[in-house]
Amino acid sequence: AQKVTQAQTEISVVEKEDVTLDCVYETRDTTYYLFWYKQPPSGELVFLIRRNSFDEQNEISGRYSWNFQKSTSSFNFTITASQVVDSAVYFCALSENLYNFNKFYFGSGTKLNVKP
Amino acid sequence: GAVVSQHPSWVICKSGTSVKIECRSLDFQATTMFWYRQFPKQSLMLMATSNEGSKATYEQGVEKDKFLINHASLTLSTLTVTSAHPEDSSFYICSAPRSTRDTQYFGPGTRLTVL
Repeated sequence: AQKVTQAQTEISVVEKEDVTLDCVYETRDTTYYLFWYKQPPSGELVFLIRRNSFDEQNEISGRYSWNFQKSTSSFNFTITASQVVDSAVYFCALSENLYNFNKFYFGSGTKLNVKP
Repeated sequence: GAVVSQHPSWVICKSGTSVKIECRSLDFQATTMFWYRQFPKQSLMLMATSNEGSKATYEQGVEKDKFLINHASLTLSTLTVTSAHPEDSSFYICSAPRSTRDTQYFGPGTRLTVL
């Protein structure tokens, strides 16, 4: 079974619109970590956020915000007032338990197109 | 700045040849490194875990004899694609954590094209 599901394959918005990228995960572990990465056309992954399973506080960083809800196993990512430079593929990822922390399971990615 | 590097950043080779990709941690020691493969417009799939001083651990479905991994030192892991074929063309990415529970740092990736 897929551990991380990103149902949105591709999203197109116009600059300055807000956009939310969905991420649903599946795990039996009580301790796990969730991540978001940005992958621009160059291919290099850019780390955006890490959240552990015990911290359900939402986080805001500039135009980026994340909504973690354990009840629905979701870790959604919102970009406010999107910009053309936000165009990229965004990956949600999961790692389970403290001893296997660095073994990542990636979602299939959501390609975001921000048009001027 | 980058903490994990990969070399080369891209490589084109003929079918049947072997290609070596290097992954280096730049300012820390990494007893464990990870190799991922990403086909065009697809997600990253973990191929194997590279362990310094011991054999690599391969994910199900990954041929260990085809993808040779050598963790030669605490800062270097190499992935050798042996007898490469066009279907091996992909984007190969390595990663390494600074410590057991630290954020994982990804290399910039190596784009392999097999003709």
